[in-house]
Formats: sequence, C-alpha cells, structure tokens
Amino acid sequence: DTAVSQTPKYLVTQMGNDKSIKCEQNLGHDTMYWYKQDSKKFLKIMFSYNNKELIINETVPNRFSPKSPDKAHLNLHINSLELGDSAVYFCASSQRGVQVNTEAFFGQGTRLTVV
Amino acid sequence: AQKVTQAQTEISVVEKEDVTLDCVYETRDTTYYLFWYKQPPSGELVFLIRRNSFDEQNEISGRYSWNFQKSTSSFNFTITASQVVDSAVYFCALTGGSQGNLIFGKGTKLSVKP
Repeated sequence: DTAVSQTPKYLVTQMGNDKSIKCEQNLGHDTMYWYKQDSKKFLKIMFSYNNKELIINETVPNRFSPKSPDKAHLNLHINSLELGDSAVYFCASSQRGVQVNTEAFFGQGTRLTVV
Repeated sequence: AQKVTQAQTEISVVEKEDVTLDCVYETRDTTYYLFWYKQPPSGELVFLIRRNSFDEQNEISGRYSWNFQKSTSSFNFTITASQVVDSAVYFCALTGGSQGNLIFGKGTKLSVKP
C-alpha cells in the first residue's frame, strides 16, 4: 500500500486552464503539505494543513488553492494556469507535535507542464 | 530565519570511492530536526535519516553515515564505497519551531561512475 499517493503523475495542460492534483495519505498523520520543486530542483513549501486547518500559506499566487476535506486528503487546485507554474508538485505528510516532528513522507510527485 | 546550505552543487566520483556531502544549517530554535532525503533519477523523495537537536550521536547505516556537530551547525553525510545506484540528488533539510515544514537546501547532485 502506498503511504502517500498523489494523482496524476503527469499533467500537461494549456495556459489558462484550471486543474487539480489530488493527494491522500494512509499513515494516520495529522499534517499534510504541498511542496513545489522548480526546474533547478529547489524544493519549497507552499501550504501546510494540520487536522484540516491551514497553518502555512507561503507567498503563493491566490490562483493556488488547497482543500483538505479530511485529515487524510489534501488537494491542490490551480486556476488560470501560467507557463511559470510548470514544476513538480509534491504532497507530503508527517506527524507534528510540540515534542516531536516525524519525518515527512512524500508522494511520487506530479510533473505539471503548462504549454 | 532558518536556512540550510549545501555548498556542493555537484560531485562526481568513481565507484568504490568514499564521498561526503556537506550540510550547514542556521536556526534560532533550540529544538529542531535535521533530515537527509535522496532523490534518484526516477524523481521520488526518499527519506534517509532524521536527527533531533539533542542527539549528537553519529549514526551509521550500512554504507551511510552521518556526522552531526552542533558546534559548527553541520550535519554531513558520508557514503562509503559508493555505488552507481547512489547516483542521485541529496537534500539536507531542517524543521523546527511550531510550523513543522521542511526547509530544504538546494541539493547536491552525486554522480557515481563505474
């Protein structure tokens, strides 16, 4: 069983379209994340949800909207896609607390190409 | 502010050589966690190790070893007797405070040639 699964793995779309990436974790973790990896391989946090509550919202265009229907799911919706949105998007989950932060487990990534 | 620096952008070695990947971090948190992740050419991110700020013991796992030194804010990673399958981008990361998200270094691309 895959611990963190995200779909689709590849997404090719035209500028201006709206698309979603889905993520699910079966680890029982309370915190989920979206990271973006650019063409230079740099990984940066976009959003973080803890028990369905948004706790991190980095400087990301408001065309990006995360949605967490429950603790095990964190989807990413992107409106009006632009060429610069092309990147690999990783979903991750971890167990976060005052005394401990477990390692984050990552999904396989979604390679988004905007043409 | 938290920051992770991996000064080595790319390293190329020949199989069976030992190689050390450097990681230097900055944080004002007294409790924090350090991680190494591997990203092979297939693209997934694979967790290698987690170390908390109170545990400075070095760790060895097979051919992998990690040296954590708070005095120099470093968490270096050594691969002994490297193999072609070790070729990947390796990321050092830091988390702490109340946020829990990972702050990644820019990664070191390791190429191991036969």
